Amino acid sequence: SAVISQKPSRDICQRGTSLTIQCQVDSQVTMMFWYRQQPGQSLTLIATANQGSEATYESGFVIDKFPISRPNLTFSTLTVSNMSPEDSSIYLCSVDIRNTEAFFGQGTRLTVV
Amino acid sequence: GENVEQHPSTLSVQEGDSAVIKCTYSDSASNYFPWYKQELGKRPQLIIDIRSNVGEKKDQRIAVTLNKTAKHFSLHITETQPEDSAVYFCAAAGRGSNYQLIWGAGTKLIIKP
Repeated sequence: SAVISQKPSRDICQRGTSLTIQCQVDSQVTMMFWYRQQPGQSLTLIATANQGSEATYESGFVIDKFPISRPNLTFSTLTVSNMSPEDSSIYLCSVDIRNTEAFFGQGTRLTVV
Repeated sequence: GENVEQHPSTLSVQEGDSAVIKCTYSDSASNYFPWYKQELGKRPQLIIDIRSNVGEKKDQRIAVTLNKTAKHFSLHITETQPEDSAVYFCAAAGRGSNYQLIWGAGTKLIIKP
């Protein structure tokens, strides 16, 4: 199993600013995933972060807008840059151990005003 | 790549009745099929999973069935209770998705008292 600590749990930000979300895992994992989720809606994968390489972004998401760091096997950050109200959402980090259970952070509820 | 479709998007059942949520997948190489429950404001958590070498798995009031030929799997909840109200997500993973989970769109289950 894996325990993920994600912070901040929520934030209200001014448009045009950036927010960095952190995830710390209690064990070493190869891949970490960043999702966006509107309340009650599906999980939309933003990118996959591997330690030691560039993150892989899904269609519709770009590195300039959502830069990701993965400095070691237990930590990752996602930055939401130059925010607009459309970026208001819940952001979740996740890990899964190759074809087994996925574990999620508690989520970051972002509101951009 | 793998594609997972989930139906219905919303399901309302009377307390005590059964609920069934269905998912179909496209990649015959997928071999792992988990179900997650996400309560309001909380992170998704695994409730049951099944691998392609079995057709059914039960855990108290919940069960999952898998039809590999038809490429669909279903979640069954019997004797529903108010605490079953949540959003449920199915997912699929296997060699075709590089063992990364591909998520369904989610089903909002409402248990009516």
